[in-house]
Amino acid sequence: DADVTQTPRNRITKTGKRIMLECSQTKGHDRMYWYRQDPGLGLRLIYYSFDVKDINKGEISDGYSVSRQAQAKFSLSLESAIPNQTALYFCATSDPDDTYNEQFFGPGTRLTVL
Amino acid sequence: DAKTTQPPSMDCAEGRAANLPCNHSTISGNEYVYWYRQIHSQGPQYIIHGLKNNETNEMASLIITEDRKSSTLILPHATLRDTAVYYCIVARNSGNTPLVFGKGTRLSVIA
Repeated sequence: DADVTQTPRNRITKTGKRIMLECSQTKGHDRMYWYRQDPGLGLRLIYYSFDVKDINKGEISDGYSVSRQAQAKFSLSLESAIPNQTALYFCATSDPDDTYNEQFFGPGTRLTVL
Repeated sequence: DAKTTQPPSMDCAEGRAANLPCNHSTISGNEYVYWYRQIHSQGPQYIIHGLKNNETNEMASLIITEDRKSSTLILPHATLRDTAVYYCIVARNSGNTPLVFGKGTRLSVIA
């Protein structure tokens, strides 16, 4: 069951192009997150949103922007893609009322910038 | 920076217990210890979490030392499907702080 979906799953683009990665969730969670993962490294937080009107920068937000269009949708944009943004990108959600503070991850988007 | 320290890799024989250590010497009183795992390049998956008592669920057991400065995740009977990167994370349970993932431990279960 795909409670958290990401589109596209794979994307190859060229330097300087604008790219949007989309995340949708059917879990009804208020909180959504974008992470990137580089080979051999853990996940690093790019942006997060605690509700539709809330956007927060993570540890590596430079070069990225986000849009929380609705509770269920959280998009990540690369305004002018560069090769070092080549990575695996994950979207995640969580429920503020969940005592486990568990995050649910999407399947990931593999982005290659040439 | 992640608040935890984990060995970069470990091996475990199939069918044996896998014991994954984690040091979190600067953990605060209101912070929990969470464990997630990431199989291949899939999204990370929650395993277990705890505050100070040992915890067990259908996936694993979590042993937290009395001083809470370290913990061990135990997979009692490791299978090949348990081969993954395991992340130990400390965070408050309020959900107001996003999880910070370090590099984790790459566990290889060997037949």
